[in-house]
Amino acid sequence: DAGVIQSPRHEVTEMGQEVTLRCKPISGHNSLFWYRQTMMRGLELLIYFNNNVPIDDSGMPEDRFSAKMPNASFSTLKIQPSEPRDSAVYFCASSYRRHQEKLFFGSGTQLSVL
Amino acid sequence: AQRVTQPEKLLSVFKGAPVELKCNYSYSGSPELFWYVQYSRQRLQLLLRHISRESIKGFTADLNKGETSFHLKKPFAQEEDSAMYYCALPPRVQETSGSRLTFGEGTQLTVNP
Repeated sequence: DAGVIQSPRHEVTEMGQEVTLRCKPISGHNSLFWYRQTMMRGLELLIYFNNNVPIDDSGMPEDRFSAKMPNASFSTLKIQPSEPRDSAVYFCASSYRRHQEKLFFGSGTQLSVL
Repeated sequence: AQRVTQPEKLLSVFKGAPVELKCNYSYSGSPELFWYVQYSRQRLQLLLRHISRESIKGFTADLNKGETSFHLKKPFAQEEDSAMYYCALPPRVQETSGSRLTFGEGTQLTVNP
């Protein structure tokens, strides 16, 4: 298994543009998490899904952020419109319910909003 | 509310010196804590969990309930230990439909030659 796959690895966009980040969890994992990493705040949980259903989106900073998981093998995090303060590394992680505390992280997407 | 605090954003030591990365928590009950590590150009990954009482790559972490701490220690740091370290805490009550970890702010450890 290639692990959790995220795309793109880097994204540079202009303020106001729509940004879509993608994630493919490990096959067989039924929990998926989106985190944001910044120097000031460290790792922040944005939203997580269990069995494709959003469980807790209280970490989503604003209505500009939305996430979907249409099936067990794909999830997206969308920012519309993007702002410079959204610049960060966005991580996707998945886990198998029986080992919930062991998260497997993707390589992350480095987002820069100019 | 439960919380994890890592008071040091940056920590620099020399090779061979002891290193301690601090983690404090607030939690009702008996927590199960974790340390995650992110080496340069690698993915964030689980380093160790206190319940297993294991030593990974020479690192150990002891839960101190009196001090509400879970500091990560290594007696002799190596250059390859340079990385970002995160302390993590699961929710107090395991949700029936998945759980989520609360991470600290992270500590960037640099081990100098």
